[in-house]
Amino acid sequence: AQSVTQLDSHVSVSEGTPVLLRCNYSSSYSPSLFWYVQHPNKGLQLLLKYTSAATLVKGINGFEAEFKKSETSFHLTKPSAHMSDAAEYFCVVSDLRKAAGNKLTFGGGTRVLVKP
Amino acid sequence: DVKVTQSSRYLVKRTGEKVFLECVQDMDHENMFWYRQDPGLGLRLIYFSYDVKMKEKGDIPEGYSVSREKKERFSLILESASTNQTSMYLCASSEAGQPQHFGDGTRLSIL
Repeated sequence: AQSVTQLDSHVSVSEGTPVLLRCNYSSSYSPSLFWYVQHPNKGLQLLLKYTSAATLVKGINGFEAEFKKSETSFHLTKPSAHMSDAAEYFCVVSDLRKAAGNKLTFGGGTRVLVKP
Repeated sequence: DVKVTQSSRYLVKRTGEKVFLECVQDMDHENMFWYRQDPGLGLRLIYFSYDVKMKEKGDIPEGYSVSREKKERFSLILESASTNQTSMYLCASSEAGQPQHFGDGTRLSIL
């Protein structure tokens, strides 16, 4: 069984300041972890993925995330927020083995507001 | 780039109608998925398919069925639409062992 908890439902930052979105997971297997972003009235776009290689993962648009097994965390960060970062972000855990059918387990989402 | 195309962005139907939501992917992916997204409930998996004519129930299959006659197309069917099926529906596809790619969604209203 696997689960994901996003610790903040809403985060508000000023443009140009750092962004931190927190995610904790649990998984019976060595997990694959993802962050997706969803802009209003759009589908989900993959930001980055961790699949048991380097623990610090760099993604698109300046985002990165660090996998910490001891803390079962996969927090997402960006050094300097841009207005276009205003969106909802989902932390996702997956068992990517073929037998598991590639199913994803989603966190509840964190809505990011960026103030000018 | 992978493209997942959902046939309608917005759809309005009446209670009791049979509703078809279509999804097409252009990357020859094995796996395809249908989710619904509701405020406060996040994304919930309705059905998925790992091959042509193969399907498996997700977490909330009641009231829905699916069809996958060709590899690139995965259809979601609401047999008799009800107001509690008003939602945002998202289709996704993936290769085995790879992340899922999502369409832009269909916002369905059942009146």
